Amino acid sequence: NAGVTQTPKFRVLKTGQSMTLLCAQDMNHEYMYWYRQDPGMGLRLIHYSVGEGTTAKGEVPDGYNVSRLKKQNFLLGLESAAPSQTSVYFCASSLAGGNNEQFFGPGTRLTVL
Amino acid sequence: ILNVEQSPQSLHVQEGDSTNFTCSFPSSNFYALHWYRWETAKSPEALFVMTLNGDEKKKGRISATLNTKEGYSYLYIKGSQPEDSATYLCAFGTGTASKLTFGTGTRLQVTL
Repeated sequence: NAGVTQTPKFRVLKTGQSMTLLCAQDMNHEYMYWYRQDPGMGLRLIHYSVGEGTTAKGEVPDGYNVSRLKKQNFLLGLESAAPSQTSVYFCASSLAGGNNEQFFGPGTRLTVL
Repeated sequence: ILNVEQSPQSLHVQEGDSTNFTCSFPSSNFYALHWYRWETAKSPEALFVMTLNGDEKKKGRISATLNTKEGYSYLYIKGSQPEDSATYLCAFGTGTASKLTFGTGTRLQVTL
């Protein structure tokens, strides 16, 4: 099993460009999450999904959109990138809700110039 | 926004020392408390998921306790080794607990 994978690993964007980050999991998990990690701050939840076809906002959703068309994939979109979105993005999945451990992907380092 | 606090922010111990960290969280509407270990250049990995007041969990030299009534959890490492060097994160789930709120972590460095 590959676990949780993220594509791409690194990306540099110019302000205003758009991109999509892909998260895939092969563990048949219901829940998937997108976090961002910034220096001095904990992992902050952007959006999450409790099942195929569902999405919900987390703590810092502005400027991002998500889709969960297939159970194994969770896409994070930036429609018009801003320098404030420079961060490391982590995807995670869990079998179900809060009493199940989350499995994290390797992260995507995004720089917006 | 829920407030999950971890202390200390960082810790530097010698090999063989035992150490502990604290995670504080709101005592109301508790659902679950997670501990994760995060090594540099890797991804967080779960250590423990705790749901019951008074719960104690152990994995090798690492153990954790939970007090939901007063809103804290302790993580203990007995006989620290250099490979224990990592950031230790706690995360709190409340209500329906479809999501977690993470603390900023305790960074542990163990030297010979």
